[in-house]
Amino acid sequence: AQSVAQPEDQVNVAEGNPLTVKCTYSVSGNPYLFWYVQYPNRGLQFLLKYITGDNLVKGSYGFEAEFNKSQTSFHLKKPSALVSDSALYFCAVRDHPWGDDKIIFGKGTRLHILP
Amino acid sequence: EADIYQTPRYLVIGTGKKITLECSQTMGHDKMYWYQQDPGMELHLIHYSYGVNSTEKGDLSSESTVSRIRTEHFPLTLESARPSHTSQYLCATITDTQYFGPGTRLTVL
Repeated sequence: AQSVAQPEDQVNVAEGNPLTVKCTYSVSGNPYLFWYVQYPNRGLQFLLKYITGDNLVKGSYGFEAEFNKSQTSFHLKKPSALVSDSALYFCAVRDHPWGDDKIIFGKGTRLHILP
Repeated sequence: EADIYQTPRYLVIGTGKKITLECSQTMGHDKMYWYQQDPGMELHLIHYSYGVNSTEKGDLSSESTVSRIRTEHFPLTLESARPSHTSQYLCATITDTQYFGPGTRLTVL
């Protein structure tokens, strides 16, 4: 069965510093991996995805994520954090798109960017 | 968010009332989903549909029901609302990526 883990409930980063939000996954086949961001009283907004190809994926708002197959990780990164990046971030995994059509979400990591 | 619409955005209602949360999408996607999320917490899949006349229960048991008579609409109904139903309800569709509506924040007094 597929699963995804976000080991940190909360991450605090000073504005201007690089940030990393961690995610590890477990799937039986090739993973499809996603990051979403959620602001208060809003739905989830898609940030980026890895399906195949280059292990470094670039997404919205200057975020990127690196797929590491050997470590089964898909950490979200940004070189220089902004206060406006403060939000709840969800990692998600899907075995493959045309079989199991349910995406499994992590429990979320709250990112606080300190001014 | 993609072209997924949810109404109402906020609802405060008394115990015992029947409510329907609306979800509609204009993309013609067959697969639609309902998630329940307490504020700042993880998402729980409560219902999904793979197309018209298809509905399935999700991973989290819910007293709500859903229907899928038209591709565009996937309403969720609570026959008798209770305070334990207070939560945020998120509607979503999927292609190779899952897209979410803005959510309905339900408070049952």
